[in-house]
Amino acid sequence: NAGVTQTPKFQVLKTGQSMTLQCAQDMNHEYMSWYRQDPGMGLRLIHYSVGAGITDQGEVPNGYNVSRSTTEDFPLRLLSAAPSQTSVYFCASSILAGGTYEQYFGPGTRLTVT
Amino acid sequence: GENVEQHPSTLSVQEGDSAVIKCTYSDSASNYFPWYKQELGKRPQLIIDIRSNVGEKKDQRIAVTLNKTAKHFSLHITETQPEDSAVYFCAASNNNAGNMLTFGGGTRLMVKP
Repeated sequence: NAGVTQTPKFQVLKTGQSMTLQCAQDMNHEYMSWYRQDPGMGLRLIHYSVGAGITDQGEVPNGYNVSRSTTEDFPLRLLSAAPSQTSVYFCASSILAGGTYEQYFGPGTRLTVT
Repeated sequence: GENVEQHPSTLSVQEGDSAVIKCTYSDSASNYFPWYKQELGKRPQLIIDIRSNVGEKKDQRIAVTLNKTAKHFSLHITETQPEDSAVYFCAASNNNAGNMLTFGGGTRLMVKP
C-alpha cells in the first residue's frame, strides 16, 4: 500500500510548455484533489473529483485541466506554463473512516517555470 | 466563497508551555475543520479535525475547539515539545467529503528547548 504517489518530484519548464503531473492512489478512495502551495502560504484548491468521471473546479483552476478516468489516477495538466504557476503541487485523496474524513496528501511536485 | 484567516503567523514558546492558534471562517455553511502540520519540505499531515456538530475534540496533547456562532476555531497544544515545531494550517470545508478545503495562511510554531 503506497498511499498517494506523485511524479515527478521536481520539474523545470519554460514558459509556454505543457506537462502533466501524475497522481495515483491505491487506497480505493473516491475523493481526490489538487492543491498548489506558494512559498509561505497555505494550500489553494485547483480541481477536485468525487469519483471516476466526475471533476470540478476549485479556487484557482485557470491554466489547469484534470480528468479522472479511473478511481486510482488523477492527473493534472498544465496547458501553457507561466511563471505564476511556479509552486509546489500536492495531490490528496480522502475517504470516510470511522466517522472522520481522513485526507492523505502525496509528497508533492516542486515546479519551476522560467 | 469561503475565506479562512489564521493568527498568529509565527508563534514562539518555551518547551512545556501551551500554544494556541486561532482561525476564523466566513462561510456559515462550513461544517468540517481540520488542522494540518507541515514540516519543512514535507507534505501536510492531518493531526486533528472537528465537525460542526461538536464543540471540542481532544487527542492526547492536542485539542480543537469550535464556536459556530462566532465562526472561529482554535488549536491548543499543551506541554509543547521541540518536535512540535512546524507550520500548522487550519482549513474549512462545506462538503461532506472534506476534500474541498480552504486553508488559512499558516502559523510557524517554534518550540525552544
